[in-house]
Amino acid sequence: EVQLVESGGGLVKPGRSLRLSCTASGFTFGDYAMSWFRQAPGKGLEWVGFIRSKAYGGTTEYAASVKGRFTISRDDSKSIAYLQMNSLKTEDTAVYYCTRDCSGGSCYSNYWGQGTLVTVSS
Amino acid sequence: SYVLTQPPSVSVAPGKTARITCGGNNIGSKSVHWYQQKPGQAPVLVIYYDSDRPSGIPERFSGSNSGNTATLTISRVEAGDEADYYCQVWDSSSDHAWVFGGGTKLTVL
Repeated sequence: EVQLVESGGGLVKPGRSLRLSCTASGFTFGDYAMSWFRQAPGKGLEWVGFIRSKAYGGTTEYAASVKGRFTISRDDSKSIAYLQMNSLKTEDTAVYYCTRDCSGGSCYSNYWGQGTLVTVSS
Repeated sequence: SYVLTQPPSVSVAPGKTARITCGGNNIGSKSVHWYQQKPGQAPVLVIYYDSDRPSGIPERFSGSNSGNTATLTISRVEAGDEADYYCQVWDSSSDHAWVFGGGTKLTVL
């Protein structure tokens, strides 16, 4: 059974950093791209970024709203994807979800984690 | 950047058919995916590549895509179908980004 579990969320002050983790199980992690999405309270879904599988170079793509501040990485030996968030802003407050995509990314997300809440507030 | 437009709300009586649209410039040339999200839960993929259903999704859910409009159709609507629905496409233009519609709240009367 495919499972994705996000962790690392919490309350953080504006301008600070936070790293989220997405621990995967039930599939060969290295064969898939991993995506991050977020949803601000009462708002719609927003894509954050993804990291392709090593077969596709392990390259990343980011939404314009987070480019230069957020970094996605992966540790295939541990089946974990990370979302490093720097220079956080109040508008980054959201539930963050990780998902499994196809190897090259840009397919669809058939598996989602339960999400982790990030609150950016002074 | 590419924009997807959904109606904020759709209401339907139980047993009837609900149609949720997703408008975008020449969206028929793109692959559209649809997600269902119930309160407090993660989204669930209900349609991918315009009209394919993941395993476990009832046949009552179907999709189509042509011209400037993609449509999610839910036949014989049940109370349990009440949720927010989002369409999604990959914008392969200069933005290289996933784009979502604003979401449609389906209310079962």
